[in-house]
Amino acid sequence: NAGVTQTPKFQVLKTGQSMTLQCAQDMNHEYMSWYRQDPGMGLRLIHYSVGAGITDQGEVPNGYNVSRSTTEDFPLRLLSAAPSQTSVYFCASSYGDGRSGANVLTFGAGSRLTVL
Amino acid sequence: AQRVTQPEKLLSVFKGAPVELKCNYSYSGSPELFWYVQYSRQRLQLLLRHISRESIKGFTADLNKGETSFHLKKPFAQEEDSAMYYCALSGDQNSGYSTLTFGKGTMLLVSP
Repeated sequence: NAGVTQTPKFQVLKTGQSMTLQCAQDMNHEYMSWYRQDPGMGLRLIHYSVGAGITDQGEVPNGYNVSRSTTEDFPLRLLSAAPSQTSVYFCASSYGDGRSGANVLTFGAGSRLTVL
Repeated sequence: AQRVTQPEKLLSVFKGAPVELKCNYSYSGSPELFWYVQYSRQRLQLLLRHISRESIKGFTADLNKGETSFHLKKPFAQEEDSAMYYCALSGDQNSGYSTLTFGKGTMLLVSP
């Protein structure tokens, strides 16, 4: 099993460009989420999904878009990149079989994004 | 609203010394508390959660509802414990999925 796979690992964008960070999991997990990690800020939730076709906003959703057409994939789209979106992005998934499992997260390796 | 506070950005100890990474939370209901760890060049991973009441790699954490704390402890630190540690909280899942809120993290450095 590959677990949670994120691509690309590194990306440099210019302000105003758009791009998609890919996330795929092969564990048949119901729940998937995107976090950004910034120095001194910890991990902040951008968007999450509790199943195919269902997404919701997290703490810092502005400037990002998500969709969940399949259980396996949860791409994160930056609509018009800004320097404030320079960060490390983590995708995570978890099984949803009750209270104790929903937040036992399996993380991807991260995608480091720089916006110039 | 749920909030997690990790008051120390950096904790530096010598090998063999006791370690306590502090975590305080704010939540009005029955929370679930977790510790996640990120070793250098490795993925974030779950270290332990309060409902399991287990010791992982010598670390333990007890949920103290009176003090709203979930401090992570280890009696004798090892150099391989050096990592970034995140405390995290989720709310009651009984009314539907409750997302995970992370603290800002504490970097633990264990020197020889």
